[in-house]
Amino acid sequence: NAGVTQTPKFQVLKTGQSMTLQCAQDMNHNSMYWYRQDPGMGLRLIYYSASEGTTDKGEVPNGYNVSRLNKREFSLRLESAAPSQTSVYFCASSELAGETQYFGPGTRLLVL
Amino acid sequence: GNSVTQMEGPVTLSEEAFLTINCTYTATGYPSLFWYVQYPGEGLQLLLKATKADDKGSNKGFEATYRKETTSFHLEKGSVQVSDSAVYFCALRGGSTLGRLYFGRGTQLTVWP
Repeated sequence: NAGVTQTPKFQVLKTGQSMTLQCAQDMNHNSMYWYRQDPGMGLRLIYYSASEGTTDKGEVPNGYNVSRLNKREFSLRLESAAPSQTSVYFCASSELAGETQYFGPGTRLLVL
Repeated sequence: GNSVTQMEGPVTLSEEAFLTINCTYTATGYPSLFWYVQYPGEGLQLLLKATKADDKGSNKGFEATYRKETTSFHLEKGSVQVSDSAVYFCALRGGSTLGRLYFGRGTQLTVWP
């Protein structure tokens, strides 16, 4: 079982470029989440999807969009990257909203 | 609102020392409480959890007790090992939100042989 996988592992962007972070889970979970982790801060929720076909904003959604492509996949898009979006991004999933969340290994993003 | 305050790090200990990492919380409703661990270069893993007052979560020698009267969920281990070196995050899940986790800032633990 791969669990939660994320691609890419590491990415460097220039200001204004766009990119999509991919996340997939093979646990047949209904709920998926995107967090960012910044130095000295805990993880902060960007967006979540309680079930296939639904998405909702979290604590820090500005500058991001998401797509719940199907039950397995939940992507995060940066339309015009900014240096403030330099961070480590984690995807997580849970069987149902409110259940234990399982995290992927993270994507380290550097925006110059 | 919901928030978690966690002991500032880093924490450096010798092998076999006793570990305490303090965590206090503010929450509406009846939250569930969690400790997650992040080993170098990896994602977060659930270490233990407690879902109601006076519950004790335990795993791999780590323990934490959900104390409603002091709004605390301190992590303890009687004898740490070098392999316990990691970042530890306290988190809560509010009773009224759709599974959203609120994290503390994390505490870096380094254990020396």
